[in-house]
Amino acid sequence: GNSVTQMEGPVTLSEEAFLTINCTYTATGYPSLFWYVQYPGEGLQLLLKATKADDKGSNKGFEATYRKETTSFHLEKGSVQVSDSAVYFCALYSGNTGKLIFGQGTTLQVKP
Amino acid sequence: GAVVSQHPSWVICKSGTSVKIECRSLDFQATTMFWYRQFPKQSLMLMATSNEGSKATYEQGVEKDKFLINHASLTLSTLTVTSAHPEDSSFYICSALGGFGTDTQYFGPGTRLTVL
Repeated sequence: GNSVTQMEGPVTLSEEAFLTINCTYTATGYPSLFWYVQYPGEGLQLLLKATKADDKGSNKGFEATYRKETTSFHLEKGSVQVSDSAVYFCALYSGNTGKLIFGQGTTLQVKP
Repeated sequence: GAVVSQHPSWVICKSGTSVKIECRSLDFQATTMFWYRQFPKQSLMLMATSNEGSKATYEQGVEKDKFLINHASLTLSTLTVTSAHPEDSSFYICSALGGFGTDTQYFGPGTRLTVL
């Protein structure tokens, strides 16, 4: 079945450090891939998405490239800020089921 | 665009009472909405899929008589937790598909339910 695996957290970085949060997936067909961000006490916000192989999603300095050969969709940012501290969820959309499949979430803590 | 609201944002109720949570798509029509439950420091658990004008589809293990879902219009879905118990205390989040044929869900801000 479809599944998403994210790297274990928490990830703790200093401000302006480079960020990578790994995400790999298992799916049949060609799912769309997403990164959502959740700030404390809030719902999820769509951060970026990619719908086909080699697509790069980007938003607010974050990027992720849909790699079909490695079934990955790693999230990167060149220089994190304290305000980026949140929980990040990788997800895939299964057209067969019409559902989002989430990873377990990765907590990012950025220290000044 | 693609804003989803929830009301209330938090609610405290006594055990045995019922609580209704509203989910609205503010600037688009959503034929399909979803209800999730999230436990502290965990991922989202899909409870049910709500389609406008039809019965909701519940995930395995979710009691449909306890969690009543009504999707009466293209912009409103409601979740009613009936005869609430302390174990129903949780963070409930709704989402809406951003339009026909789209693959993107837009999420509400969540509702914190505490049952005493």
